[in-house]
Amino acid sequence: GQSLEQPSEVTAVEGAIVQINCTYQTSGFYGLSWYQQHDGGAPTFLSYNALDGLEETGRFSSFLSRSDSYGYLLLQELQMKDSASYFCAVRAFNYGQNFVFGPGTRLSVLP
Amino acid sequence: NAGVTQTPKFRILKIGQSMTLQCTQDMNHNYMYWYRQDPGMGLKLIYYSVGAGITDKGEVPNGYNVSRSTTEDFPLRLELAAPSQTSVYFCATRTGQETQYFGPGTRLLVL
Repeated sequence: GQSLEQPSEVTAVEGAIVQINCTYQTSGFYGLSWYQQHDGGAPTFLSYNALDGLEETGRFSSFLSRSDSYGYLLLQELQMKDSASYFCAVRAFNYGQNFVFGPGTRLSVLP
Repeated sequence: NAGVTQTPKFRILKIGQSMTLQCTQDMNHNYMYWYRQDPGMGLKLIYYSVGAGITDKGEVPNGYNVSRSTTEDFPLRLELAAPSQTSVYFCATRTGQETQYFGPGTRLLVL
């Protein structure tokens, strides 16, 4: 089977840097995705790592290490609007279209 | 472009009733998905479609049915609603890339 683990909650202050980890137990997969979801809203795509290494998109970066079964989302220069839940997701080779999402990490940004 | 639209936004059902959740997209994406999200949890895949006329089960298909007669529409049918189906339902689409685009969601309460 497939499973992803994330910390349930993370708290940081405005302007800080925070890292949200995602560890997984799955066989070969296409890549690791990250989504952001504000309370009452829909998930929105943030980042995708097909290959090992760091992908940077503005204040957000994402990292993948297949050898360590580990990835993370890095948020820099935190703003109040970054308070949301963040989900990692994978699509395994042998599961067709079956995307598996992590349980989510709730980020609270304090003033 | 409207992207992915879902109707209704909110619905209350009585146990044993049935209903159809509508999902429409105008992005001409082949892949479409239905997820459910229980409070404080990640997304679970119910059904998916890789194109018109082709559908398949996801992780939690019991109690649901889908059809895909056109590229644009992917309705989700609930037969004999049960309290366990109280959830938020999201429809999503995807091109050949890994990014998924989510609709605003339908909140369903079964009493």
